[in-house]
Amino acid sequence: AQKVTQAQTEISVVEKEDVTLDCVYETRDTTYYLFWYKQPPSGELVFLIRRNSFDEQNEISGRYSWNFQKSTSSFNFTITASQVVDSAVYFCALRTQAAGNKLTFGGGTRVLVKP
Amino acid sequence: NAGVMQNPRHLVRRRGQEARLRCSPMKGHSHVYWYRQLPEEGLKFMVYLQKENIIDESGMPKERFSAEFPKEGPSILRIQQVVRGDSAAYFCASSRMGQDHYEQYFGPGTRLTVT
Repeated sequence: AQKVTQAQTEISVVEKEDVTLDCVYETRDTTYYLFWYKQPPSGELVFLIRRNSFDEQNEISGRYSWNFQKSTSSFNFTITASQVVDSAVYFCALRTQAAGNKLTFGGGTRVLVKP
Repeated sequence: NAGVMQNPRHLVRRRGQEARLRCSPMKGHSHVYWYRQLPEEGLKFMVYLQKENIIDESGMPKERFSAEFPKEGPSILRIQQVVRGDSAAYFCASSRMGQDHYEQYFGPGTRLTVT
């Protein structure tokens, strides 16, 4: 069975602070994909990144960076120099061949960035 | 190229009524997925459909819920005799193929409120 755990339910920071969101996943499949989505207060889901199980390179996109470590089954997400517009709920998700094409989501982490 | 369209965006139903949620996939996409997000929770997979076929309905409640994706027209998620516990955001996603490396693109969601 697939499982995604986001242990932090809510994180509150002051603008310009860095914030790291943890994501731990469980799967027995050797081929899988990991995702991060952002859900702003308006409610839509915004795709941020996809990483496949064969690519452990970390990635940076502007103020966002991701740290994928297969050894600890983690795919953590860091926002550098946070801004008020980063306030949202962030979801980590997993998709595996064994489970078909459905996404398994973590419970989400609410990030509140205060000015 | 229009994205995934869902309508209505907001739907209010009284207990015992029927709710019909519509999803028009992106152009060229023949696979549709429905997810439900209960208040303060992550998204949970409900059903995966291809044109005229249900591929995986393992996340669909056994009673009152049904889904279809006809040859022509949008995918429909139907909830009969709604109860308060059905109040949630329902998201639809589509992909070009069912292969696991094809992205799922999400619609804006339909917020169902049962009074």
